[in-house]
Amino acid sequence: AQRVTQPEKLLSVFKGAPVELKCNYSYSGSPELFWYVQYSRQRLQLLLRHISRESIKGFTADLNKGETSFHLKKPFAQEEDSAMYYCAPFSGGYNKLIFGAGTRLAVHP
Amino acid sequence: DGGITQSPKYLFRKEGQNVTLSCEQNLNHDAMYWYRQDPGQGLRLIYYSQIVNDFQKGDIAEGYSVSREKKESFPLTVTSAQKNPTAFYLCASSGAGQGGNQPQHFGDGTRLSIL
Repeated sequence: AQRVTQPEKLLSVFKGAPVELKCNYSYSGSPELFWYVQYSRQRLQLLLRHISRESIKGFTADLNKGETSFHLKKPFAQEEDSAMYYCAPFSGGYNKLIFGAGTRLAVHP
Repeated sequence: DGGITQSPKYLFRKEGQNVTLSCEQNLNHDAMYWYRQDPGQGLRLIYYSQIVNDFQKGDIAEGYSVSREKKESFPLTVTSAQKNPTAFYLCASSGAGQGGNQPQHFGDGTRLSIL
C-alpha cells in the first residue's frame, strides 16, 4: 500500500545547527516528491519538489530511490525556519498526493 | 491575499445537520481538492476534481459530498452521515497536469465543530 512516513513529530534544534527532516515512502514506480511547509499563521505552501533540483530558503532534498527516502536538509537552521513540514509523494498510479503526518521544526535562539 | 478563499473560517454543526463549506479560487486552476486534517495526522484527501462537472472520491469520502459546477468553485457538504466531522478542512487547487503532480495552492481552512 502507498504510505509515507515522517518518523519525527517534533525536531528541536538551536540556531546554526544542521537540520534533517526525515521522510520515507513506500510506492511502486518512481513517484514525484514534494515538501510543503506551514509557517505560523500562514497557509500551507509548497517548499520544494525533487524534480526541480533546486534549493529553496537553503533547504535541499535528495531522492534516494534505494532507501525510498526524501529527507529535507539545511546546513544551518534559522529561527524563521520554525514551522510544520509535510512530505508528500505523488504517484501517477494512484493519481494523488499523499501527505505525511508532518514534522514540527522548532529552531531556538 | 487572493488565490483560494475558504469560508467560513469557523463553522458549527448541530447533530443531524448538513453543512456546506465554500471554496473559491481565482487562479484559473483546473484541479481542486478537499482535505481533512486531524491532530497528529497528515492531510487526508476527501474528494478531488480535475475538471468542471467531474470529481472523484479520495480516501475518506464517506459522509461527504461535492459539486463542481464552475471552474472556480468546489463546495464541500458535510452530511449527517459523517459521524466524526469535527476537524480542520483545507481546500487546494492546482494547474493542469497529470492528476496531482502540479504544486497545490491551499486556502486558510475551515474549522468545523459539533455543537
